[in-house]
Amino acid sequence: DAGVIQSPRHEVTEMGQEVTLRCKPISGHNSLFWYRQTMMRGLELLIYFNNNVPIDDSGMPEDRFSAKMPNASFSTLKIQPSEPRDSAVYFCASGSDGGSFETQYFGPGTRLLVL
Amino acid sequence: SQKIEQNSEALNIQEGKTATLTCNYTNYSPAYLQWYRQDPGRGPVFLLLIRENEKEKRKERLKVTFDTTLKQSLFHITASQPADSATYLCALEAGRRALTFGSGTRLQVQP
Repeated sequence: DAGVIQSPRHEVTEMGQEVTLRCKPISGHNSLFWYRQTMMRGLELLIYFNNNVPIDDSGMPEDRFSAKMPNASFSTLKIQPSEPRDSAVYFCASGSDGGSFETQYFGPGTRLLVL
Repeated sequence: SQKIEQNSEALNIQEGKTATLTCNYTNYSPAYLQWYRQDPGRGPVFLLLIRENEKEKRKERLKVTFDTTLKQSLFHITASQPADSATYLCALEAGRRALTFGSGTRLQVQP
């Protein structure tokens, strides 16, 4: 199994530009999570999906952030317009609920720098 | 407010000793607690899960305890090795059927 795949691995952009992060979960997993990690705030849950449906987006910082999961094998996290304070490592994770959300498998992350 | 606390200072120990990391939480009633390992430039990797009705869980050189009265979990690595050097994160099931992570403790095992 290839594990969770994220792209791009690194992204440098200028303030005001649109940024799209992509994630392919592990095949057969029905839960998908987007996290953001910074030194100051640690690892924060942004949004999670179960069976392609957004369940909790209370961690999404503001309207500039949006996430979609059009099918079981693909999800995007979009920031429009981007700001320097969005600079962080963004992780996607997937899991299989089997009755409760337990082990999560993380991708390698996308390191975003907004200038 | 809900809070998960891990020692933000790095833990430095000698190879062969037992490393003990602490995770304290307030205003949570988690059904389970998990420990993850994170290496620089990589995503967290799951290590162990312990449920609220379990006191202790072991896996090879790893041991986790969970005291719901004290609201504390201890994570032990016995016979530590330099390869165990990493940041260790605890995570709680936070009632939203998702995980809330602590800030992590960096472990450095000296040869």
